[in-house]
Amino acid sequence: AQSVSQHNHHVILSEAASLELGCNYSYGGTVNLFWYVQYPGQHLQLLLKYFSGDPLVKGIKGFEAEFIKSKFSFNLRKPSVQWSDTAEYFCAVILSGGGADGLTFGKGTHLIIQP
Amino acid sequence: NAGVTQTPKFRILKIGQSMTLQCTQDMNHNYMYWYRQDPGMGLKLIYYSVGAGITDKGEVPNGYNVSRSTTEDFPLRLELAAPSQTSVYFCASRVDRHSYNEQFFGPGTRLTVL
Repeated sequence: AQSVSQHNHHVILSEAASLELGCNYSYGGTVNLFWYVQYPGQHLQLLLKYFSGDPLVKGIKGFEAEFIKSKFSFNLRKPSVQWSDTAEYFCAVILSGGGADGLTFGKGTHLIIQP
Repeated sequence: NAGVTQTPKFRILKIGQSMTLQCTQDMNHNYMYWYRQDPGMGLKLIYYSVGAGITDKGEVPNGYNVSRSTTEDFPLRLELAAPSQTSVYFCASRVDRHSYNEQFFGPGTRLTVL
């Protein structure tokens, strides 16, 4: 079955610390990968996505992610976090191509940044 | 553009009651989705639609129904509410069939069934 694993359910960091959130997927084909963020009380917003080409993708607010096909991974990184990065982060996957399928989400990582 | 809007924001139902969660998008997107988000469980797909008059089941469709009479609207109906349907419900839309396109999410409806 298709699945997405996010290794860290809760992460607490201090401001200016570096961040890496893990995401691994299990899919039998070419995929498109997404990271979404949900700030407290708000809806999901797209941080970044990968669909082809350069495996290192840059998103909004200084986030980036690297797609490593051999490891089935798409880890999210930020060199220096801010208090405003406190949020829930979701990795999501979809089979590449022209289909109606919805996204398959990981369980999410709750990130808390301490001032 | 307002994007994807959902009503109501919050609702408490008694077991056995019914209700409709409304979802509207003003981006002229063909593809629309309903997800539910349970604590610590991520989002799971309930139903989806590829255009007016066309709907299909997702991963967790039991206890729900949908319709799509217009491009803009994609309501989700709960006929006999059960405590297991306590969740946050998100509607989303995507412009077309290409999987790499972003899904845009609404603000969610928090539903409690007592």
